[in-house]
Amino acid sequence: DAGVTQSPTHLIKTRGQHVTLRCSPISGHKSVSWYQQVLGQGPQFIFQYYEKEERGRGNFPDRFSARQFPNYSSELNVNALLLGDSALYLCASSSWDGNTEAFFGQGTRLTVV
Amino acid sequence: GIQVEQSPPDLILQEGANSTLRCNFSDSVNNLQWFHQNPWGQLINLFYIPSGTKQNGRLSATTVATERYSLLYISSSQTTDSGVYFCAVEGDAGNMLTFGGGTRLMVKP
Repeated sequence: DAGVTQSPTHLIKTRGQHVTLRCSPISGHKSVSWYQQVLGQGPQFIFQYYEKEERGRGNFPDRFSARQFPNYSSELNVNALLLGDSALYLCASSSWDGNTEAFFGQGTRLTVV
Repeated sequence: GIQVEQSPPDLILQEGANSTLRCNFSDSVNNLQWFHQNPWGQLINLFYIPSGTKQNGRLSATTVATERYSLLYISSSQTTDSGVYFCAVEGDAGNMLTFGGGTRLMVKP
């Protein structure tokens, strides 16, 4: 079975641009969460979606948005990119049917120049 | 929100040595997971252990939920064990993992 897949794996953007990151959860998992990991720190929670509804949001500005599609895949969008948005963006999926164990994708490494 | 502290922050071992990594958390949790992050950034699931003890090969983990800590034991360490180990907890809100700062492990041959 395929694990959590994210695309692209690497991305370079210019300040002020917009970026879209994509995530496909493990088959059968209905919950997708997004995390940002800057160098030297642990991942920080951005969003959680379950059954296409936002169920949680971390302390991130409105430039960050996300959505979940009927097939449970998800997109993370970041507008007006800043240098400080450079990070590894991780997607996690879980079944959320009484078991909340999270499984992570390989991440998208975003560099803003 | 819930606070998670990991110790030690850095650890250097000789191959074959044993080690214990600790995770303290500030409130009751629904979920606790241990991860190993490899050099490419992938978070590898080690244990899903909100309470009790589990073992998987050379690794084992114990969570004492009433005392708000978890321990990860690595025995007979190998160079491939090098990397960053993260503890992450899910509080009663149930919709996010809060990560500790990690323990950076280097195993020397």
